[in-house]
Amino acid sequence: DQQVKQNSPSLSVQEGRISILNCDYTNSMFDYFLWYKKYPAEGPTFLISISSIKDKNEDGRFTVFLNKSAKHLSLHIVPSQPGDSAVYFCAASGRNTGNQFYFGTGTSLTVIP
Amino acid sequence: GAGVSQSPSNKVTEKGKDVELRCDPISGHTALYWYRQSLGQGLEFLIYFQGNSAPDKSGLPSDRFSAERTGGSVSTLTIQRTQQEDSAVYLCASSLDLTGSTEAFFGQGTRLTVV
Repeated sequence: DQQVKQNSPSLSVQEGRISILNCDYTNSMFDYFLWYKKYPAEGPTFLISISSIKDKNEDGRFTVFLNKSAKHLSLHIVPSQPGDSAVYFCAASGRNTGNQFYFGTGTSLTVIP
Repeated sequence: GAGVSQSPSNKVTEKGKDVELRCDPISGHTALYWYRQSLGQGLEFLIYFQGNSAPDKSGLPSDRFSAERTGGSVSTLTIQRTQQEDSAVYLCASSLDLTGSTEAFFGQGTRLTVV
């Protein structure tokens, strides 16, 4: 049972434009959400997070939006750069949801120079 | 070290052999996780350690898989009688704790290939 879903396996964006990666979840008990970035042959690296008490968190070119009523979050990257090309994983956790982070299946982003 | 360290980085083994994968978490992190990523799949939870509590083994796919964490630090994931479907990248992560507001930091992974 996939509690965190990333329905787009891949996304291509022109350099300088906005990249929007989407994530949906099913468990309303999740209260902390994260985005990880993964390059080939490397482990995932933490990118940005958001608590359920917020609906937006911004860090430089990266902004995460949370819509709790829709159980949806998104990651915006603007402007997109070729170095942003990687697989992006959405993850969720909660104090009462078990001892793990639940990950989506990832979206492969390609930024075209 | 500054980050999570895993060894070996690559392991090729024959079907039926046992393998041990090692993880050194970030110093001071009480929570340690093992995940695996099979080709084209997302991250699959395997096991979780938190301090001196009993580990959460709910993600282990079979009784051929086991893990231990000695002294609250280094962890070893053991796969007995390896099968070809065990081929994957095994990722270890650590975090300060799981309060719902702490990120996990990952190692570079061990790529296991069972031939």
